[in-house]
Amino acid sequence: EAGVVQSPRYKIIEKKQPVAFWCNPISGHNTLYWYRQNLGQGPELLIRYENEEAVDDSQLPKDRFSAERLKGVDSTLKIQPAELGDSAVYLCASSLPGGANVLTFGAGSRLTVL
Amino acid sequence: GNSVTQMEGPVTLSEEAFLTINCTYTATGYPSLFWYVQYPGEGLQLLLKATKADDKGSNKGFEATYRKETTSFHLEKGSVQVSDSAVYFCALSEGGSQGNLIFGKGTKLSVKP
Repeated sequence: EAGVVQSPRYKIIEKKQPVAFWCNPISGHNTLYWYRQNLGQGPELLIRYENEEAVDDSQLPKDRFSAERLKGVDSTLKIQPAELGDSAVYLCASSLPGGANVLTFGAGSRLTVL
Repeated sequence: GNSVTQMEGPVTLSEEAFLTINCTYTATGYPSLFWYVQYPGEGLQLLLKATKADDKGSNKGFEATYRKETTSFHLEKGSVQVSDSAVYFCALSEGGSQGNLIFGKGTKLSVKP
């Protein structure tokens, strides 16, 4: 069984440029999460989806970040425009409905903003 | 608000040494507690969990006991191997199994042969 797939693994952009990250969760996992992990820190939740509905986006900086999960499967996280402070690893995770917080994480997308 | 505090790393041990990574938490109510591990180049994965006080989670020789009186969930292993080298994250779940995870900063473990 394939795990959570994320792309790209690495992205380097200049500030003010846009960037997008893609995530394909484990088949059957209705719950999808986007986390941000700054260097030396633990992951912090950005947004959580139940199927196609964003049920918790309270930590998503909505002025520049957006996310979508059309059809309740794949998801895209976008930043526009990127700032220097957005340099981090963006992690996607998925779980079964009511999965008791047993999350399966992807390997992450490392963003560097110059 | 709810939070998790882990011991600072990095931790360097020789093979077969005893491991303890301390984790304490602050939470309202009765959270579930977790240890996640991130091996080099891989995504985080669940190592073990405990959902109520005095529960012991265990997996791959690692153990942690949910101590409500000391608000702790320390990770232990009796004899570490080189393959245990990784970053270990303690986490709690707000609102039980349906809540979001709050992670500690992580503790990097390096095991030398």
